[in-house]
Amino acid sequence: NAGVTQTPKFRVLKTGQSMTLLCAQDMNHEYMYWYRQDPGMGLRLIHYSVGEGTTAKGEVPDGYNVSRLKKQNFLLGLESAAPSQTSVYFCASRIAGEDFFGPGTRLTVL
Amino acid sequence: SQKIEQNSEALNIQEGKTATLTCNYTNYSPAYLQWYRQDPGRGPVFLLLIRENEKEKRKERLKVTFDTTLKQSLFHITASQPADSATYLCALAFSGGYNKLIFGAGTRLAVHP
Repeated sequence: NAGVTQTPKFRVLKTGQSMTLLCAQDMNHEYMYWYRQDPGMGLRLIHYSVGEGTTAKGEVPDGYNVSRLKKQNFLLGLESAAPSQTSVYFCASRIAGEDFFGPGTRLTVL
Repeated sequence: SQKIEQNSEALNIQEGKTATLTCNYTNYSPAYLQWYRQDPGRGPVFLLLIRENEKEKRKERLKVTFDTTLKQSLFHITASQPADSATYLCALAFSGGYNKLIFGAGTRLAVHP
């Protein structure tokens, strides 16, 4: 099992550009999450999904959209990137109260 | 609003000693609490989960306590080793919304030989 994988690992964007972060899990988990982690702050939930075809807003959803067309994939989109979205993004999936995190995507918006 | 506090200062201890990390929370009735380990440049790794009706949980050299009256969890690593050096995160799940997690900012632990 590869577990939770994230693509890409690093990305630099200019303000106003768009991009999609991909999260994939091969554990057949129903629940998936997108977080951002900033220095000195805890992980903050952006969006989450409790199953294929469902998504919901988390704590900091503004400026992001998500889709869960297939159970194994959870996509995070930035339509018009802003410097405030510079962060490390983590995806996670869950089974029975145990959360599995991906390695993260480091995004810089100039 | 919910708030989770972990010691922001790094904890430095000598190898072989017991490390104790604290997680305090306010305005919150969690369904359960988790502890994670995070190494630099990597994603968090799940360590332990303790439910609101449990007082203590153990796994190898790790022990977690959960006091819902004090609104506090303590995380202990016994016989600590330099390889235990990392940042440790606590996270609370509340039952009102698919057990969404709220994370503390983490405490960095450094175990010196």
